[in-house]
Amino acid sequence: DGGITQSPKYLFRKEGQNVTLSCEQNLNHDAMYWYRQDPGQGLRLIYYSQIVNDFQKGDIAEGYSVSREKKESFPLTVTSAQKNPTAFYLCASSIILGSGQGEQYFGPGTRLTVT
Amino acid sequence: AQSVTQLGSHVSVSEGALVLLRCNYSSSVPPYLFWYVQYPNQGLQLLLKYTSAATLVKGINGFEAEFKKSETSFHLTKPSAHMSDAAEYFCAVSVDTGRRALTFGSGTRLQVQP
Repeated sequence: DGGITQSPKYLFRKEGQNVTLSCEQNLNHDAMYWYRQDPGQGLRLIYYSQIVNDFQKGDIAEGYSVSREKKESFPLTVTSAQKNPTAFYLCASSIILGSGQGEQYFGPGTRLTVT
Repeated sequence: AQSVTQLGSHVSVSEGALVLLRCNYSSSVPPYLFWYVQYPNQGLQLLLKYTSAATLVKGINGFEAEFKKSETSFHLTKPSAHMSDAAEYFCAVSVDTGRRALTFGSGTRLQVQP
């Protein structure tokens, strides 16, 4: 089955530790995205990538880093510089059409709790 | 820059009643519009999308939405609510720029009463 996998489902970390969230897709999509979801705030874009070895900052990139070494993989690192890292993190992918009409497909999410 | 406003963070309807979830967008260029549904602790699933082919768009699970340019709206409706429709619904907009990322509204939680 084609889809997007995120692991782990739940992640707990101590404050001051970096943590990496995994995102893998087998849909052969060129573009991948990371969103953060907080209650009552919808989804906010952290980083996105439209091609291997290239990525761009989204609206809330501070305290996060990403890599795109393979088309299928787009891991997100939450660094100790992120002031409020506890949130639900969603990865998505899409094909790239000539316009912005390609819908995004989402993974099941990772809930990160930092104490 | 584009933006989306969803009126009403919580909507409650009775089973069998009409569902109406409101979405207004702001965009200086023709937008592409999407509705997604999210069940607790899960990812988002696409309900339907508007890409300028037709103003009335039908989606999955009996939902539909109408694009009204004059009102800059893309409200989601379903004639008869089912208990399984209880979830959070997100409206999103995309425009034809290099960014090609969605901008989401803050979401509307739909509650269905028996």
